[in-house]
Amino acid sequence: AQSVTQLDSQVPVFEEAPVELRCNYSSSVSVYLFWYVQYPNQGLQLLLKYLSGSTLVKGINGFEAEFNKSQTSFHLRKPSVHISDTAEYFCAVTLPRGGFKTIFGAGTRLFVKA
Amino acid sequence: DSGVTQTPKHLITATGQRVTLRCSPRSGDLSVYWYQQSLDQGLQFLIQYYNGEERAKGNILERFSAQQFPDLHSELNLSSLELGDSALYFCASSTGGFTDTQYFGPGTRLTVL
Repeated sequence: AQSVTQLDSQVPVFEEAPVELRCNYSSSVSVYLFWYVQYPNQGLQLLLKYLSGSTLVKGINGFEAEFNKSQTSFHLRKPSVHISDTAEYFCAVTLPRGGFKTIFGAGTRLFVKA
Repeated sequence: DSGVTQTPKHLITATGQRVTLRCSPRSGDLSVYWYQQSLDQGLQFLIQYYNGEERAKGNILERFSAQQFPDLHSELNLSSLELGDSALYFCASSTGGFTDTQYFGPGTRLTVL
């Protein structure tokens, strides 16, 4: 069965420091990969997505992610975080075959400290 | 502002009741998606409609149903409500399918007492 694991439930980091939010998935078939951000009391916003092609994907707000097929990972990175990046981040997998089933990770709470 | 609107913002009801949540997609978007976010089960994809037709189905209970109307707005109907149905229900829209960027609405918070 397919699954998505976000390895850290909370990540505290100081402002201007780099951050990596980890995501691993389990699937025997090709998948689409997504990272979403959710600010307090708001809906989700797409940060970036991997559909095919280059394994390094650049998104909004200075975020990027790298798809690693051998390690079935899709870690999100930002070289220098801001206070405004404090939010919940969700990794998601969509299976293009078998009805476009979408599975979300449990989320990682990024807390940026001054 | 994503351009996706959801009504109502909050809904409080009792067990056994039926409610309808409404979503208006961004102008020009043909796809509507419904998601549930709860403390117990996290984020779950429920269902997708494209131009009036059901296109993909996720973990949607049989007590729940959805439809998309000719004007492209969508409704999610939840019936025989249970305490565990208390959650945030999000609607999203996109121009086409899952490869397109989805824009999320602010959500409807459902509380079942």
